[in-house]
Amino acid sequence: DVKVTQSSRYLVKRTGEKVFLECVQDMDHENMFWYRQDPGLGLRLIYFSYDVKMKEKGDIPEGYSVSREKKERFSLILESASTNQTSMYLCASSRPTSYEYNEQFFGPGTRLTVL
Amino acid sequence: QQQVKQSPQSLIVQKGGISIINCAYENTAFDYFPWYQQFPGKGPALLIAIRPDVSEKKEGRFTISFNKSAKQFSLHIMDSQPGDSATYFCAAPRGRYNFNKFYFGSGTKLNVKP
Repeated sequence: DVKVTQSSRYLVKRTGEKVFLECVQDMDHENMFWYRQDPGLGLRLIYFSYDVKMKEKGDIPEGYSVSREKKERFSLILESASTNQTSMYLCASSRPTSYEYNEQFFGPGTRLTVL
Repeated sequence: QQQVKQSPQSLIVQKGGISIINCAYENTAFDYFPWYQQFPGKGPALLIAIRPDVSEKKEGRFTISFNKSAKQFSLHIMDSQPGDSATYFCAAPRGRYNFNKFYFGSGTKLNVKP
């Protein structure tokens, strides 16, 4: 059973703080993703990583960075948290494919509040 | 720019009724359409998916209907149950033969009343 875990379910930070969101998957997946979920906006891709130390910007990368030093771990970093980054953050993983359907496995999410 | 447009945003259905959620897309290169289901406090999970070489796919009470000419696909939940109350997302690949990344719809919050 694929398991994607996120370090915190709830997090409260202050404006200007540096915030780290951690994600770990146990299925040896090459692909990992960070999404942001807001009501009425669905899931928006922040960053995608297809291998260790490899990353691609998604649709809303501004204000975020990522780190992937080990295959199983993908970190999302808010360099200087702002109130408009208050949201639910979802991590996902999948195996790579170029020829067949691909299921993404999601973690339970981290609800971040920036005061 | 929203690549996949989903409606309605919320839906209330009586137990035993049919729930219908619609998605429209613009890019005709899309060739795989999954639906994800998210319960409160959980991450989304794959529910059912369809390729456009078929017009319909059924798994239990869940059916995807696909209309290629209208560029639309729909999720139908027959005999809706309170346990189906969740948020549903449609999705489409970000490019032809790119099955690694997806565009997700804005989500539909379904409430099935007992």
